[in-house]
Amino acid sequence: GQQVMQIPQYQHVQEGEDFTTYCNSSTTLSNIQWYKQRPGGHPVFLIQLVKSGEVKKQKRLTFQFGEAKKNSSLHITATQTTDVGTYFCAGPIEYGNKLVFGAGTILRVKS
Amino acid sequence: DVKVTQSSRYLVKRTGEKVFLECVQDMDHENMFWYRQDPGLGLRLIYFSYDVKMKEKGDIPEGYSVSREKKERFSLILESASTNQTSMYLCASSAPEGQNPYEQYFGPGTRLTVT
Repeated sequence: GQQVMQIPQYQHVQEGEDFTTYCNSSTTLSNIQWYKQRPGGHPVFLIQLVKSGEVKKQKRLTFQFGEAKKNSSLHITATQTTDVGTYFCAGPIEYGNKLVFGAGTILRVKS
Repeated sequence: DVKVTQSSRYLVKRTGEKVFLECVQDMDHENMFWYRQDPGLGLRLIYFSYDVKMKEKGDIPEGYSVSREKKERFSLILESASTNQTSMYLCASSAPEGQNPYEQYFGPGTRLTVT
C-alpha cells in the first residue's frame, strides 16, 4: 500500500542549531501536509504544499515539495526550545479525504 | 475556532471489556477520523466517516467498529478490548472539498490502557 517514510526518527540539537526532517513517498502525491505535535499535545496542522518544487516559509520554518512530488522537507533555522515536538508529514491516499502519515521526527532542543 | 473533544483523556479497562470512545466536533465537518498513535509508528487510521451513517475501514480496523449517528459525533468501539489495543487514540475532523479536506483538526486524545 501507499507509504510515507520520514527520517530521522529522532534528533537532539543544541538551541540555535538548524534542524531538517525529510519525507519520502512511495507514490507521487497531489499535495503534502505537515503537522506538529507538542509533547503531551495533539497534532496541529502547519501547512499544505501543492505545487511541484514549491517552497513556503513560516518565520524560521521552511517547507519544500520536491520536483517529482514524491518528497518533502521541513527545515528549521536556529532552533528554539519552543520548537520541541514531533513533526509529521502526511500525504493523501489515492481516493477520499484520507491521509497517510509518516512516523514522525521527534525534535529535542538543548538550551 | 474548531473544537474537537474526546470523552476521556485517560481510560483503564480490563481485557474483554467493551470500550466506547466518543468524539464530538463543533464545526459541522463532514469528515471524521479515528487514529491510534504508537511510538515509532506515527498515526495509523482505524476508521473514517464522510457522512452520517457512512464509514470506511482504514489501515487497521480489526478489533474495532465505529458509529456515526449524528454529524458531530463519531464513536469508536472496541468490542472486546485486548492488551495490544493499549494506545493513544486520536479523533480528527476535516472540512469537505472546497475547503482543504486534508487540514485535519485533532482532539486531545484518549490514552487507553488495557490490563
